[in-house]
Amino acid sequence: EIVLTQSPGTLSLSPGERATLSCRASQSVSSTFLAWYQQKPGQAPRLLIYGASSRATGIPDRFSGSGSGTDFTLTISRLEPEDLAVYYCQQHGGSPPVTFGGGTKVEIK
Amino acid sequence: EVQLVESGGGLVKPGGSLRLSCAASGFTFSGYLINWVRQAPGKGLEWVSSISGSSRYIYYSDSVRGRFTVSRDNAKNSLYLQMNSLRAEDTAVYYCARDPSTYYHDSSGYHPHYYYGMDVWGQGTTVTVSS
Repeated sequence: EIVLTQSPGTLSLSPGERATLSCRASQSVSSTFLAWYQQKPGQAPRLLIYGASSRATGIPDRFSGSGSGTDFTLTISRLEPEDLAVYYCQQHGGSPPVTFGGGTKVEIK
Repeated sequence: EVQLVESGGGLVKPGGSLRLSCAASGFTFSGYLINWVRQAPGKGLEWVSSISGSSRYIYYSDSVRGRFTVSRDNAKNSLYLQMNSLRAEDTAVYYCARDPSTYYHDSSGYHPHYYYGMDVWGQGTTVTVSS
């Protein structure tokens, strides 16, 4: 099983600041198989990034993804109050075929 | 509008059964692999099952294999999850989620040519297993 470890567990930042979220895989993951999701309180997850760096439809350009191999990053360049959410990375591959990271909670000061 | 709407959740005793449904609209349902993903209270996301557009390929997580059965009726634009022998640890919000990726299937599973993620999610239905 490919285990995804996200850090930090919680990130507390002020509006306008830059948020850097990490996702580390227990073994190499093809960047084309790595996605990021945002889950706001009480809502279903929403796809942000696929292919490690491609923004999904309608996602603002302040969200960006990067990385390869075992280390991937989601960056929110300028935090806005509505970015309060838990962010999950997810990969497709191995057995089980789909695994999610444990999530990073972003709090807005 | 592209939409997925889950239903069928509720309170069930350990060992009991429940059937979840996921109604699709606004897209060609038969052209997409659909996933079930669950989220236990206060916890992260867990993949449960996937079914290809034709129903030819079906996959389960180890935690539900042998107890849950996924199916779909493309004529009704609907997806189902039959859950038997329910346990307390199955308590969760269950989401259906669309996957627009194309896959090839072999003996080791299903592999995307390019993975586009789960791009449409339903609002979820809550399953509580408790005596």
